[in-house]
Amino acid sequence: TQLLEQSPQFLSIQEGENLTVYCNSSSVFSSLQWYRQEPGEGPVLLVTVVTGGEVKKLKRLTFQFGDARKDSSLHITAAQTGDTGLYLCAGAYNTDKLIFGTGTRLQVFP
Amino acid sequence: NAGVTQTPKFRVLKTGQSMTLLCAQDMNHEYMYWYRQDPGMGLRLIHYSVGEGTTAKGEVPDGYNVSRLKKQNFLLGLESAAPSQTSVYFCASSYWPGYYYEQYFGPGTRLTVT
Repeated sequence: TQLLEQSPQFLSIQEGENLTVYCNSSSVFSSLQWYRQEPGEGPVLLVTVVTGGEVKKLKRLTFQFGDARKDSSLHITAAQTGDTGLYLCAGAYNTDKLIFGTGTRLQVFP
Repeated sequence: NAGVTQTPKFRVLKTGQSMTLLCAQDMNHEYMYWYRQDPGMGLRLIHYSVGEGTTAKGEVPDGYNVSRLKKQNFLLGLESAAPSQTSVYFCASSYWPGYYYEQYFGPGTRLTVT
């Protein structure tokens, strides 16, 4: 069974702080995605990374794919209350399915 | 464009009852998926379909059946509900996996089995 471990599981910070969420596996991904899910809604895709070492930026969010394509990180600069939600990573292993991580629940307080 | 819709949004069942969850997408996507989401477990794949008339098992298929008679619809059935099936169920679709497997999700169905 392929596993995607995310850390931390919970994160509670004040507005303006920086944070990093990690996604790790012992397997190599062909691609990796990050989703954000708000309460009562389905996940929404934020980004897809494909190449080892790739860095993508989405406003204050920076996504990095590990050189060996086994891990990824999401860094948020100057967090805002609107960043609150559940962050999920999901990896593709050259099949027609995604494996989702366990999730990181982020709470940003004003 | 409604995207991915799910019916119903909430449901309470008694142990042993049956029900069907309906997922519909208007994006002409080939692939459709059913997941369940439980606290601390992320999303786990129940069944999926790679095209009209096809279905395949995912990670946690026991106790569920699916059908994809039309390209736009994917049905998830519980024949005899059990309390362990209390969960939030999400349907998703994707155009073609290619290299990206980007999925679009519905709003979810919250199911409680008593």
